[in-house]
Amino acid sequence: AQTVTQSQPEMSVQEAETVTLSCTYDTSESDYYLFWYKQPPSRQMILVIRQEAYKQQNATENRFSVNFQKAAKSFSLKISDSQLGDAAMYFCAYRGLNYGGATNKLIFGTGTLLAVQP
Amino acid sequence: EAEVAQSPRYKITEKSQAVAFWCDPISGHATLYWYRQILGQGPELLVQFQDESVVDDSQLPKDRFSAERLKGVDSTLKIQPAELGDSAMYLCASSQRQGWDEQYFGPGTRLTVT
Repeated sequence: AQTVTQSQPEMSVQEAETVTLSCTYDTSESDYYLFWYKQPPSRQMILVIRQEAYKQQNATENRFSVNFQKAAKSFSLKISDSQLGDAAMYFCAYRGLNYGGATNKLIFGTGTLLAVQP
Repeated sequence: EAEVAQSPRYKITEKSQAVAFWCDPISGHATLYWYRQILGQGPELLVQFQDESVVDDSQLPKDRFSAERLKGVDSTLKIQPAELGDSAMYLCASSQRQGWDEQYFGPGTRLTVT
């Protein structure tokens, strides 16, 4: 069974600085998707960034980028120029390809609570 | 911008009572998910629908939980009887199809069982 581990329950960063959130996962599959979701307090979860495992190039979305190390099964999120609005719980998630109508459920880590200090 | 709607946002109920949650996915989204998020943990899938059919309910406690999506649009998740351990956030998500499509989440229903 696939698992996702986030070893940092809480992180803090100064506004305008850079922070990296860690995530490791375990799977026997060769192709899959990885995601980072943001869950602000009392608001819905939104997708921050996604990575296809077959792509060697790391995904980037504006101030957000990932460091995907497939052999090490590591998938970290870097937030550059941190803003107050980045404060939230961040979840790393895994999803298999699951062709043929099977479930494509997301498997989440336990989350990292990011605080941004002004 | 289209969003996933859920109601109620908050629910307090006594143990052994029945409780129901409602979800209206983004229009046109064929796939609907119910996740449960216990405090301090990540969400865990309870049930996945493709149109009106259940694709995966392997983690749904079927002795007390039920879910339906009769017309393949909105969905209801029911718990009867509720137990103290059911206190959690219940999240609904939808996507256009299975596979690569992004899952869009609703705001959730926070359930407290006393």
